Amino acid sequence: GESVGLHLPTLSVQEGDNSIINCAYSNSASDYFIWYKQESGKGPQFIIDIRSNMDKRQGQRVTVLLNKTVKHLSLQIAATQPGDSAVYFCAENLGSGNTPLVFGKGTRLSVIA
Amino acid sequence: GAVVSQHPSRVICKSGTSVKIECRSLDFQATTMFWYRQFPKQSLMLMATSNEGSKATYEQGVEKDKFLINHASLTLSTLTVTSAHPEDSSFYICSAHQGDYGYTFGSGTRLTVV
Repeated sequence: GESVGLHLPTLSVQEGDNSIINCAYSNSASDYFIWYKQESGKGPQFIIDIRSNMDKRQGQRVTVLLNKTVKHLSLQIAATQPGDSAVYFCAENLGSGNTPLVFGKGTRLSVIA
Repeated sequence: GAVVSQHPSRVICKSGTSVKIECRSLDFQATTMFWYRQFPKQSLMLMATSNEGSKATYEQGVEKDKFLINHASLTLSTLTVTSAHPEDSSFYICSAHQGDYGYTFGSGTRLTVV
């Protein structure tokens, strides 16, 4: 199930199930979005990205969906594994490499073996 | 792929002292680097944008005299936390953008001020 704590919401899933992590972004002018995975004590690790001219993009075991109408982004992880346990952040950008990424609040994914 | 090296990974310092964190792009040139701060169980918050050869651009609420940023070359940006206090204890992360590889992040620096 999903719960919201003081800071990071947590999503708990059984190993082998699919996970869906959601993100609401803030800037309607953003045209580039990235999902990152962060393990404890480490920097963010790139998972998958999508540009605003697309609404879906698939990678290995991961799919990102973009709904610009409601400014919503989701990350779907198929057949979730214990190694997927981490904090996941969405990030948005106005599209230029000289502008920073703005990160969402993050979701902690906990995989139950 | 693009690699960003960040040092040190962990540092403990006494209150009132200064700490320098280095961020290097190893195999590409980065005219722009970004510094983030992350408190426990929170997201990454942008502190400043570091521009090679010019002054950094700080986000609202970030004290530029306390968090000194120097981007002296196309491969090195440094963040110096001056007169550190316990409330500065945090995880500091740098990032750089390289056209072919997008945004690359350093491994982060855990700063503990005692």
